[in-house]
Amino acid sequence: GQQLNQSPQSMFIQEGEDVSMNCTSSSIFNTWLWYKQDPGEGPVLLIALYKAGELTSNGRLTAQFGITRKDSFLNISASIPSDVGIYFCAGQVQGSSNTGKLIFGQGTTLQVKP
Amino acid sequence: DAGVTQSPTHLIKTRGQQVTLRCSPKSGHDTVSWYQQALGQGPQFIFQYYEEEERQRGNFPDRFSGHQFPNYSSELNVNALLLGDSALYLCASSYGTDQETQYFGPGTRLLVL
Repeated sequence: GQQLNQSPQSMFIQEGEDVSMNCTSSSIFNTWLWYKQDPGEGPVLLIALYKAGELTSNGRLTAQFGITRKDSFLNISASIPSDVGIYFCAGQVQGSSNTGKLIFGQGTTLQVKP
Repeated sequence: DAGVTQSPTHLIKTRGQQVTLRCSPKSGHDTVSWYQQALGQGPQFIFQYYEEEERQRGNFPDRFSGHQFPNYSSELNVNALLLGDSALYLCASSYGTDQETQYFGPGTRLLVL
């Protein structure tokens, strides 16, 4: 079945540093999404990408939809303590047999040291 | 503008029991998807409801069933609970077409003893 490989699994960085995480898949996706989840909460959408090659920013966050449609990355610039949490990538396939289904990566746990 | 809401927030059940979880979608949304998230894992797709019908289903047994009401709210039912059903159950809503972004609720934490 479809799987997403997300890396790194965890990161421990100093406040102010930049962060980069990525997702790869053996399958093609039509949409890539990045979510952040705090403990005991549901995932919150950060960035949605709909076209191969698309580069989108949301404040200090930047994400790109890979040209092959099999990968995506998320960058966080100048990290702050409130960036702490678990970041998930998710891919979505458009088509009759996979309508609306999101496939999630395993998550990247980010810890920021003040 | 209310976001996705879920109830209850926490639930404790024993093996063999049945449970019903509820979800109200974000205002303007008509599609509801359910996900199971085990501890330390990413969410796993259970099924999706649109126009009161199950549109797509993930790799979950028939013990997992659902329903969507005319007001677009939804229920997830799990019968014959197993210890392995302990997880955070997430509801996500979206509007209509395939590529519309899904917004998640806070989840229901289910513990099966």
